[in-house]
Amino acid sequence: KNQVEQSPQSLIILEGKNCTLQCNYTVSPFSNLRWYKQDTGRGPVSLTIMTFSENTKSNGRYTATLDADTKQSSLHITASQLSDSASYICVVSPGREYGNKLVFGAGTILRVKS
Amino acid sequence: DGGITQSPKYLFRKEGQNVTLSCEQNLNHDAMYWYRQDPGQGLRLIYYSQIVNDFQKGDIAEGYSVSREKKESFPLTVTSAQKNPTAFYLCASSISSGSYNEQFFGPGTRLTVL
Repeated sequence: KNQVEQSPQSLIILEGKNCTLQCNYTVSPFSNLRWYKQDTGRGPVSLTIMTFSENTKSNGRYTATLDADTKQSSLHITASQLSDSASYICVVSPGREYGNKLVFGAGTILRVKS
Repeated sequence: DGGITQSPKYLFRKEGQNVTLSCEQNLNHDAMYWYRQDPGQGLRLIYYSQIVNDFQKGDIAEGYSVSREKKESFPLTVTSAQKNPTAFYLCASSISSGSYNEQFFGPGTRLTVL
């Protein structure tokens, strides 16, 4: 069964600190992996998209890594800010053979406190 | 939220009633999607449309219906047959249904059954 598992479920960090969120997936075949940020009560916003051949991708203070061999990805947030408080969702696309239907993780809820 | 609007933001429904959630996009995207989000779970696909006048069932289509008469509009009707409709509903669109195409999400509609 195609699944995306994220850890931890929730995380609290102090403003200015770094953190890393984890994503493990069993989706096969694999086309690409995405990280989204979702503020409470809002729609998700894309942070990064990585294909099989990409190991790392950055978007400002957000850096995503991908190990397609072990089927793991991480999202590293540097110098956290209060505005980083949100749910971070890992999403895997199995590709056209599966109608391009995305498989979503349940998300990691991050709270940055001052 | 890009160029995708959803209305209303909050919706209350009595049991036995049908309700329709609006989704409009001005991004000239061919593909549109409806997802349901429940606490602690990943987004689940209800219906998707790759082109005008065509739509496909997603993983949890029972109790829902859609139409795609115009490129920019993809309304979702939650029927009385949906036994547990209380959830956060998200509409998304992409340029096409290609596996690498980013999906842009609307701000969501929170539906509560009274």
